[in-house]
Amino acid sequence: EDQVTQSPEALRLQEGESSSLNCSYTVSGLRGLFWYRQDPGKGPEFLFTLYSAGEEKEKERLKATLTKKESFLHITAPKPEDSATYLCAVQREGGKLIFGQGTELSVKP
Amino acid sequence: DTGVSQDPRHKITKRGQNVTFRCDPISEHNRLYWYRQTLGQGPEFLTYFQNEAQLEKSRLLSDRFSAERPKGSFSTLEIQRTEQGDSAMYLCASTGGGEQYFGPGTRLTVT
Repeated sequence: EDQVTQSPEALRLQEGESSSLNCSYTVSGLRGLFWYRQDPGKGPEFLFTLYSAGEEKEKERLKATLTKKESFLHITAPKPEDSATYLCAVQREGGKLIFGQGTELSVKP
Repeated sequence: DTGVSQDPRHKITKRGQNVTFRCDPISEHNRLYWYRQTLGQGPEFLTYFQNEAQLEKSRLLSDRFSAERPKGSFSTLEIQRTEQGDSAMYLCASTGGGEQYFGPGTRLTVT
Protein backbone atom coordinates (compact mmCIF):
# COMPACT_ATOMS: atom_id res chain seq x y z
CA GLU A 1 0.00 0.00 0.00
CA ASP A 2 1.22 3.50 -0.84
CA GLN A 3 2.43 5.40 2.20
CA VAL A 4 3.93 8.83 2.84
CA THR A 5 5.39 9.71 6.24
CA GLN A 6 6.69 13.13 7.19
CA SER A 7 8.96 14.00 10.09
CA PRO A 8 9.09 15.76 12.38
CA GLU A 9 5.39 16.51 12.95
CA ALA A 10 6.34 19.94 14.30
CA LEU A 11 9.53 21.97 14.13
CA ARG A 12 10.35 25.17 15.96
CA LEU A 13 13.30 27.24 14.72
CA GLN A 14 14.84 30.55 15.51
CA GLU A 15 15.12 32.99 12.63
CA GLY A 16 18.27 32.13 10.68
CA GLU A 17 18.50 28.57 12.05
CA SER A 18 18.69 26.23 9.03
CA SER A 19 17.09 22.77 9.13
CA SER A 20 15.54 19.99 7.02
CA LEU A 21 12.15 18.33 6.79
CA ASN A 22 11.90 14.67 5.81
CA CYS A 23 9.39 12.84 3.63
CA SER A 24 9.69 9.05 3.41
CA TYR A 25 7.57 7.20 0.87
CA THR A 26 6.69 3.76 -0.38
CA VAL A 27 4.79 3.72 -3.64
CA SER A 28 4.61 1.46 -6.65
CA GLY A 29 5.27 3.46 -9.78
CA LEU A 30 6.23 6.91 -8.57
CA ARG A 31 5.10 9.50 -11.09
CA GLY A 32 6.33 12.50 -9.15
CA LEU A 33 6.91 13.83 -5.65
CA PHE A 34 5.36 17.16 -4.75
CA TRP A 35 5.97 19.69 -1.98
CA TYR A 36 3.27 22.15 -0.95
CA ARG A 37 3.06 24.91 1.64
CA GLN A 38 -0.22 25.41 3.52
CA ASP A 39 -1.11 28.40 5.66
CA PRO A 40 -3.89 28.05 8.28
CA GLY A 41 -7.37 28.05 6.73
CA LYS A 42 -6.04 28.09 3.16
CA GLY A 43 -5.50 25.60 0.36
CA PRO A 44 -2.06 24.11 -0.31
CA GLU A 45 0.31 26.25 -2.39
CA PHE A 46 2.52 24.45 -4.91
CA LEU A 47 6.29 24.61 -4.30
CA PHE A 48 8.17 21.86 -6.19
CA THR A 49 7.84 18.71 -8.25
CA LEU A 50 10.65 16.12 -8.35
CA TYR A 51 10.57 13.18 -10.75
CA SER A 52 13.77 11.17 -10.36
CA ALA A 53 16.37 10.28 -7.73
CA GLY A 54 19.15 12.84 -7.56
CA GLU A 55 16.97 15.69 -8.74
CA GLU A 56 17.14 18.98 -6.82
CA LYS A 57 15.09 22.18 -7.06
CA GLU A 58 15.47 25.52 -5.31
CA LYS A 59 13.25 28.49 -4.62
CA GLU A 60 14.45 31.35 -2.42
CA ARG A 61 15.37 29.79 0.96
CA LEU A 62 13.95 26.35 0.08
CA LYS A 63 15.68 23.44 -1.60
CA ALA A 64 14.07 20.07 -2.31
CA THR A 65 15.98 16.86 -2.98
CA LEU A 66 14.87 13.33 -3.89
CA THR A 67 16.26 9.82 -3.37
CA LYS A 68 14.61 6.46 -4.14
CA LYS A 69 13.01 6.32 -0.70
CA GLU A 70 12.77 9.85 0.63
CA SER A 71 12.77 13.55 -0.07
CA PHE A 72 14.14 16.41 1.97
CA LEU A 73 13.05 20.03 2.11
CA HIS A 74 16.01 22.10 3.27
CA ILE A 75 15.28 25.54 4.70
CA THR A 76 18.25 27.90 4.79
CA ALA A 77 18.23 30.89 7.15
CA PRO A 78 14.44 30.80 7.64
CA LYS A 79 12.37 33.90 8.34
CA PRO A 80 9.13 34.16 10.36
CA GLU A 81 7.16 34.35 7.10
CA ASP A 82 8.30 30.78 6.31
CA SER A 83 6.09 29.56 9.18
CA ALA A 84 3.47 27.19 7.71
CA THR A 85 2.65 23.52 7.33
CA TYR A 86 4.72 21.83 4.64
CA LEU A 87 3.07 18.91 2.86
CA CYS A 88 4.73 16.18 0.82
CA ALA A 89 2.78 14.07 -1.68
CA VAL A 90 3.46 11.29 -4.18
CA GLN A 91 1.56 11.08 -7.43
CA ARG A 92 -0.18 7.88 -8.51
CA GLU A 93 -1.85 6.74 -11.69
CA GLY A 94 -4.50 9.15 -12.84
CA GLY A 95 -2.60 11.95 -11.17
CA LYS A 96 -4.10 11.64 -7.70
CA LEU A 97 -1.85 12.74 -4.86
CA ILE A 98 -1.18 10.73 -1.71
CA PHE A 99 -0.21 13.17 1.05
CA GLY A 100 1.76 12.83 4.24
CA GLN A 101 0.40 14.36 7.43
CA GLY A 102 2.59 17.45 7.11
CA THR A 103 5.26 19.19 9.15
CA GLU A 104 4.19 22.31 11.03
CA LEU A 105 7.07 24.78 10.93
CA SER A 106 7.27 27.74 13.29
CA VAL A 107 10.06 30.31 12.90
CA LYS A 108 10.49 32.75 15.77
CA PRO A 109 12.20 36.15 15.35
CA ASP B 1 -6.62 34.02 -14.48
CA THR B 2 -7.45 34.15 -10.78
CA GLY B 3 -6.74 30.50 -10.05
CA VAL B 4 -9.04 27.84 -8.62
CA SER B 5 -12.07 29.20 -6.77
CA GLN B 6 -14.47 27.44 -4.40
CA ASP B 7 -17.84 28.42 -3.03
CA PRO B 8 -18.91 28.72 -0.29
CA ARG B 9 -15.80 29.19 1.84
CA HIS B 10 -17.62 28.13 5.00
CA LYS B 11 -20.77 26.07 5.53
CA ILE B 12 -22.45 25.19 8.80
CA THR B 13 -25.24 22.66 8.56
CA LYS B 14 -27.28 20.45 10.81
CA ARG B 15 -26.88 16.68 10.77
CA GLY B 16 -29.11 15.11 8.16
CA GLN B 17 -29.17 18.09 5.81
CA ASN B 18 -27.81 18.05 2.26
CA VAL B 19 -25.00 20.38 1.17
CA THR B 20 -23.47 21.23 -2.19
CA PHE B 21 -20.08 22.77 -2.90
CA ARG B 22 -18.85 24.31 -6.14
CA CYS B 23 -15.37 24.42 -7.66
CA ASP B 24 -14.29 26.54 -10.64
CA PRO B 25 -10.94 25.30 -11.97
CA ILE B 26 -8.31 27.22 -13.92
CA SER B 27 -9.94 27.63 -17.30
CA GLU B 28 -7.63 25.58 -19.53
CA HIS B 29 -7.19 22.70 -17.06
CA ASN B 30 -8.87 19.46 -18.12
CA ARG B 31 -8.41 17.51 -14.86
CA LEU B 32 -10.18 18.37 -11.63
CA TYR B 33 -9.67 16.66 -8.25
CA TRP B 34 -11.57 16.70 -4.95
CA TYR B 35 -9.81 16.08 -1.63
CA ARG B 36 -10.90 16.14 2.00
CA GLN B 37 -8.69 17.37 4.84
CA THR B 38 -9.26 17.01 8.57
CA LEU B 39 -7.37 18.91 11.25
CA GLY B 40 -3.73 17.92 11.54
CA GLN B 41 -3.83 15.61 8.51
CA GLY B 42 -2.85 15.91 4.89
CA PRO B 43 -5.54 16.03 2.18
CA GLU B 44 -7.12 12.69 1.19
CA PHE B 45 -8.16 11.97 -2.39
CA LEU B 46 -11.91 11.64 -3.03
CA THR B 47 -12.46 11.67 -6.79
CA TYR B 48 -11.29 13.15 -10.07
CA PHE B 49 -12.57 14.16 -13.49
CA GLN B 50 -10.95 14.39 -16.85
CA ASN B 51 -13.12 16.85 -18.73
CA GLU B 52 -16.67 15.74 -17.88
CA ALA B 53 -15.82 12.09 -17.17
CA GLN B 54 -15.47 10.94 -13.56
CA LEU B 55 -12.59 8.48 -13.79
CA GLU B 56 -11.94 7.38 -10.21
CA LYS B 57 -13.65 7.43 -6.83
CA SER B 58 -12.00 6.70 -3.50
CA ARG B 59 -13.41 4.17 -1.05
CA LEU B 60 -13.80 7.22 1.22
CA LEU B 61 -16.58 8.41 -1.07
CA SER B 62 -19.66 6.73 0.36
CA ASP B 63 -22.95 6.60 -1.53
CA ARG B 64 -23.99 9.80 0.26
CA PHE B 65 -21.41 11.68 -1.79
CA SER B 66 -21.85 12.54 -5.45
CA ALA B 67 -19.78 14.71 -7.75
CA GLU B 68 -20.42 16.10 -11.19
CA ARG B 69 -18.59 18.14 -13.77
CA PRO B 70 -21.09 19.05 -16.47
CA LYS B 71 -19.54 20.23 -19.73
CA GLY B 72 -16.06 19.75 -18.30
CA SER B 73 -16.00 23.16 -16.62
CA PHE B 74 -17.01 23.75 -12.98
CA SER B 75 -17.64 20.84 -10.63
CA THR B 76 -20.03 20.25 -7.75
CA LEU B 77 -19.70 17.95 -4.76
CA GLU B 78 -22.91 17.05 -2.94
CA ILE B 79 -23.17 15.37 0.43
CA GLN B 80 -26.58 13.96 1.34
CA ARG B 81 -27.77 13.30 4.90
CA THR B 82 -24.68 14.87 6.44
CA GLU B 83 -23.08 13.30 9.49
CA GLN B 84 -20.77 14.87 12.09
CA GLY B 85 -17.90 12.84 10.64
CA ASP B 86 -18.27 14.79 7.39
CA SER B 87 -16.93 17.91 9.11
CA ALA B 88 -13.72 18.77 7.26
CA MET B 89 -12.13 21.07 4.71
CA TYR B 90 -13.10 20.09 1.16
CA LEU B 91 -10.42 21.05 -1.35
CA CYS B 92 -10.56 21.21 -5.11
CA ALA B 93 -7.51 21.17 -7.38
CA SER B 94 -7.02 21.41 -11.12
CA THR B 95 -4.20 20.60 -13.49
CA GLY B 96 -3.34 20.71 -17.15
CA GLY B 97 -1.09 17.68 -16.73
CA GLY B 98 1.62 18.69 -14.27
CA GLU B 99 1.35 20.14 -10.83
CA GLN B 100 -2.06 20.49 -9.19
CA TYR B 101 -3.23 23.93 -8.12
CA PHE B 102 -5.56 24.05 -5.15
CA GLY B 103 -8.45 26.31 -4.34
CA PRO B 104 -8.98 27.90 -0.91
CA GLY B 105 -11.28 25.10 0.23
CA THR B 106 -14.76 24.90 1.74
CA ARG B 107 -14.84 24.41 5.50
CA LEU B 108 -17.86 22.24 6.43
CA THR B 109 -19.10 22.04 10.01
CA VAL B 110 -21.90 19.60 10.79
CA THR B 111 -23.65 20.28 14.11
